[in-house]
Amino acid sequence: KQEVTQIPAALSVPEGENLVLNCSFTDSAIYNLQWFRQDPGKGLTSLLLIQSSQREQTSGRLNASLDKSSGRSTLYIAASQPGDSATYLCAFSGNTGKLIFGQGTTLQVKP
Amino acid sequence: GAGVSQSPSNKVTEKGKDVELRCDPISGHTALYWYRQSLGQGLEFLIYFQGNSAPDKSGLPSDRFSAERTGGSVSTLTIQRTQQEDSAVYLCASSLGVGGGFINEQFFGPGTRLTVL
Repeated sequence: KQEVTQIPAALSVPEGENLVLNCSFTDSAIYNLQWFRQDPGKGLTSLLLIQSSQREQTSGRLNASLDKSSGRSTLYIAASQPGDSATYLCAFSGNTGKLIFGQGTTLQVKP
Repeated sequence: GAGVSQSPSNKVTEKGKDVELRCDPISGHTALYWYRQSLGQGLEFLIYFQGNSAPDKSGLPSDRFSAERTGGSVSTLTIQRTQQEDSAVYLCASSLGVGGGFINEQFFGPGTRLTVL
């Protein structure tokens, strides 16, 4: 059974810092992974999608990597801003596309 | 273009009542998913529709839960005889589905917050 773990559970950093959020999974038979952002009381916003054949994806200040052999993915946020404050979720899908989520990392970026 | 929409945004009901939650996926998306987000359980998969195939109901927590998708578009999640433990945010997502060995990106709606008193 696929299990997804996100570390740390919470993170507080000053504005401008570069930071890394970690996600690990137990079953390497994944088809893709997605990183999402969730603001309080809101739905999920897709940030990045990495197919299993890819190693990384970049969008603006965000970079996500995937290492299937070690069962890990990381989300790198460069030059963090207060507007980046949110909960970040990673999720993996198998061959049907249904997503298995981690518990999330709650990020606070202080001005 | 329009994203995934869900209604109602909030629903308060009494224990034992039935509720219906609606999801309008992105036009042209063949796959539709329902998830539930609760404080103790995080985000968990409920049910999945792909085109005209039989739905994957493996995530439904009990037989009080059911869902249908009419005409390959709008979906309704029904919870019968609601219990307090059903209180959660119910999220719907849609995607272009599976093709060419790839699983396409899922886009989520804003969710329906269900409170069972």
